[in-house]
Amino acid sequence: QSVLTQPPSVSGAPGQRVTISCTGSSSNIGAGYDVHWYQQVPGTVPKVLIDSHNNRPSGVPDRFSGSKSGTSASLAISGLQAEDEADYYCQSFDRSLSTWVFGRGTKLTVL
Amino acid sequence: EVQVVESGGGLVQPGGSLRLSCAASGFTFEGYWLSWVRQAPGKGLEWVANIKPDGTEKYYVDSVKGRFTISRDNAQNLFYLQMDSLRAEDTAIYYCAKQGPAWLWGQGTMVTVSS
Repeated sequence: QSVLTQPPSVSGAPGQRVTISCTGSSSNIGAGYDVHWYQQVPGTVPKVLIDSHNNRPSGVPDRFSGSKSGTSASLAISGLQAEDEADYYCQSFDRSLSTWVFGRGTKLTVL
Repeated sequence: EVQVVESGGGLVQPGGSLRLSCAASGFTFEGYWLSWVRQAPGKGLEWVANIKPDGTEKYYVDSVKGRFTISRDNAQNLFYLQMDSLRAEDTAIYYCAKQGPAWLWGQGTMVTVSS
């Protein structure tokens, strides 16, 4: 059981908008720790989509956006494209564990 | 160019040891926390350990405590992960990373623990 909970999979048709949730607790997201989001195409290095300041690094399309509320965070992807098919991970810091933690990942399928 | 590059992976028998290295360039090495993250085949990302800029604080995931040791050499812009008493479940790609608002990841090095 992961400290950060993500849905195993989400799907959407091209052009649609999908969201991926990341549910934590009062010792991580709820404690105010920032959330990072990554995209990983199998066989490649994880790519930063959203940094701890909720910004997109250079080169990341503005179709990707992050938000946070209470003990949860979300990644929204609008105007879904075939190239968005990948695994997505959230990451935060947990003060009870004094460690960084990742969600188990969400596989996005573009129908 | 700002980058971190891992080396030292390979095949090792259960119970054996391996030391991973990570060479950094393009940034003020001694100013950053550094982490190791791993990914077992077909599995998700798992944070393994990190170390404070001056090396005085180190943290580990429970599954590697007492077996893995993280260290750094600020004079050489290198940091390390000494892995002892390796188990089959330690088989993974190991990534080194510079912590920050956006983590900087290396390309990873594969560690296979098998007889």
